[in-house]
Amino acid sequence: DQQVKQNSPSLSVQEGRISILNCDYTNSMFDYFLWYKKYPAEGPTFLISISSIKDKNEDGRFTVFLNKSAKHLSLHIVPSQPGDSAVYFCAASDSNYQLIWGAGTKLIIKP
Amino acid sequence: DGGITQSPKYLFRKEGQNVTLSCEQNLNHDAMYWYRQDPGQGLRLIYYSQIVNDFQKGDIAEGYSVSREKKESFPLTVTSAQKNPTAFYLCASTHNGANVLTFGAGSRLTVL
Repeated sequence: DQQVKQNSPSLSVQEGRISILNCDYTNSMFDYFLWYKKYPAEGPTFLISISSIKDKNEDGRFTVFLNKSAKHLSLHIVPSQPGDSAVYFCAASDSNYQLIWGAGTKLIIKP
Repeated sequence: DGGITQSPKYLFRKEGQNVTLSCEQNLNHDAMYWYRQDPGQGLRLIYYSQIVNDFQKGDIAEGYSVSREKKESFPLTVTSAQKNPTAFYLCASTHNGANVLTFGAGSRLTVL
């Protein structure tokens, strides 16, 4: 039973264009959502997060949107750069602060 | 620099052997976690500890053991009872009550 789903295993985007990574969840008790970025053979690094009381959070080129009614969040990267090529994980937490992770989406930025 | 150090980065093990993965943090974080990553899957929680001398099983604790004798250290032992131990293991830490985890660089275990 996957509570957090990232349905696209991979995504290829032209450099300079917008990258949109999607994440769906099933548990309405999740109240905090995070995106992590991971390079091969390294640990994930925190990218951006959003509380369930908000519908948008922006940090430079990265924006996360939350649609609670649809139980859907997305990460927008604009403009996409070669260094953005990585695996992106969506994670959700409830009041116990335990994170549930999606399977990840591999983003490839083409020059 | 504050951070989490995992060692070894690569480890090979023969079937039937126990191995211990080290995780040390100097971030003064209370909580520490061990995750396992397999290809095409999200991170799965093995064990976590929110305080010294106490730890809790995660979703896939069978075949693993941990200890938390010091705040800075949370070693993971992969025992011979773990049926499919080949994986990438990640250690993480955070302050209690915080959502954002800091991860180590990971340890890749291969069973020969």
